[in-house]
Amino acid sequence: KQEVTQIPAALSVPEGENLVLNCSFTDSAIYNLQWFRQDPGKGLTSLLLIQSSQREQTSGRLNASLDKSSGRSTLYIAASQPGDSATYLCAVIPYNQGGKLIFGQGTELSVKP
Amino acid sequence: DTAVSQTPKYLVTQMGNDKSIKCEQNLGHDTMYWYKQDSKKFLKIMFSYNNKELIINETVPNRFSPKSPDKAHLNLHINSLELGDSAVYFCASSTDRNWEGMNTEAFFGQGTRLTVV
Repeated sequence: KQEVTQIPAALSVPEGENLVLNCSFTDSAIYNLQWFRQDPGKGLTSLLLIQSSQREQTSGRLNASLDKSSGRSTLYIAASQPGDSATYLCAVIPYNQGGKLIFGQGTELSVKP
Repeated sequence: DTAVSQTPKYLVTQMGNDKSIKCEQNLGHDTMYWYKQDSKKFLKIMFSYNNKELIINETVPNRFSPKSPDKAHLNLHINSLELGDSAVYFCASSTDRNWEGMNTEAFFGQGTRLTVV
């Protein structure tokens, strides 16, 4: 059974720091991995999608890596800003399960001015 | 121009009532989903429809019945609401192509916060 774990559960950093959020999954049989952002009381915003054949994706100050064989992904946020404060969720699409996403519990990030 | 839209955003209702949540996507996607986010913020799949056909039913009580009139709409009807049904319900959509090698990014609606009192 696929399980997704995110560490840490919560993170507080001063503005300007570079930071790394971690995501691990137990079964490497995945089609892709997707990182989302959720602001309090809001929906999920897709940040980056990494297909299983890819190693990383970049969007602005965000860089996500994927090591499928070891079951790990990281989301790197450069030069963090208070506006980055949110919960970050990673999710995988496992093989042959109809395309459903299996989510981690999320990392709640707080960037202090 | 919202890609995935849900209505209502908030829903407060009494135990035993029947309610519906509507979802529409204008992305041309073939697959739509319902996810439930519990009080601990954990998101879990409930249903998935592909071209109006049910493909995932994740052991959800049969009081929950999804309905897809066309591939752009997926509604969720809940009968005999219980206190434990209180949660945030998210609709999502994505393409249904070969998952490997295609951009299968999932897009989510803003959620419906259901409170059963």
